[in-house]
Amino acid sequence: DAGVIQSPRHEVTEMGQEVTLRCKPISGHDYLFWYRQTMMRGLELLIYFNNNVPIDDSGMPEDRFSAKMPNASFSTLKIQPSEPRDSAVYFCASRFWAANTEAFFGQGTRLTVV
Amino acid sequence: SQQGEEDPQALSIQEGENATMNCSYKTSINNLQWYRQNSGRGLVHLILIRSNEREKHSGRLRVTLDTSKKSSSLLITASRAADTASYFCATDAEGSQGNLIFGKGTKLSVKP
Repeated sequence: DAGVIQSPRHEVTEMGQEVTLRCKPISGHDYLFWYRQTMMRGLELLIYFNNNVPIDDSGMPEDRFSAKMPNASFSTLKIQPSEPRDSAVYFCASRFWAANTEAFFGQGTRLTVV
Repeated sequence: SQQGEEDPQALSIQEGENATMNCSYKTSINNLQWYRQNSGRGLVHLILIRSNEREKHSGRLRVTLDTSKKSSSLLITASRAADTASYFCATDAEGSQGNLIFGKGTKLSVKP
């Protein structure tokens, strides 16, 4: 397996534009997580899914953020409209949840909103 | 909310020295995990210790867990410049439904 795949790796957009980040989890994993990482706040959990169903979205900062998982092999995180304070690295991770398993992270999407 | 809190926030040592990082957490756990993040990269799993284990080794890594104190430590022996990275602990809390809670990390710098 190629691991968790995120796209794009880098995104620069203007304030007010819509941004869509994409994630392909590892095949067979039943949990998918979206994290945001900044120097100030560290690694924050935004939302996670179990079997394509959102379990906890309490970390989503505002209504401008939305996430979907239409099937087991694809998820999106959308920001509309984007703001400069959304600039961060966004990570997707997946996990097969059994006793004592680890999470696998993608390489992240570095988002810059100007 | 943050479950794990690493200490120190930053650590700078010379190559060959040992590096010790600590993690404290708040709730009962199934296991505790340590991850590494190189600059500009995703987190990579290093080692997992179960709640009924007290110590675990993997190469130059040694992890201890004290559930009575709700704390763990990661020791890297004979450090190398290539160990320079951020290190995170993550807890798999009881009843967490698969969610790992990450701390803020320790930034380790190993000088050659």
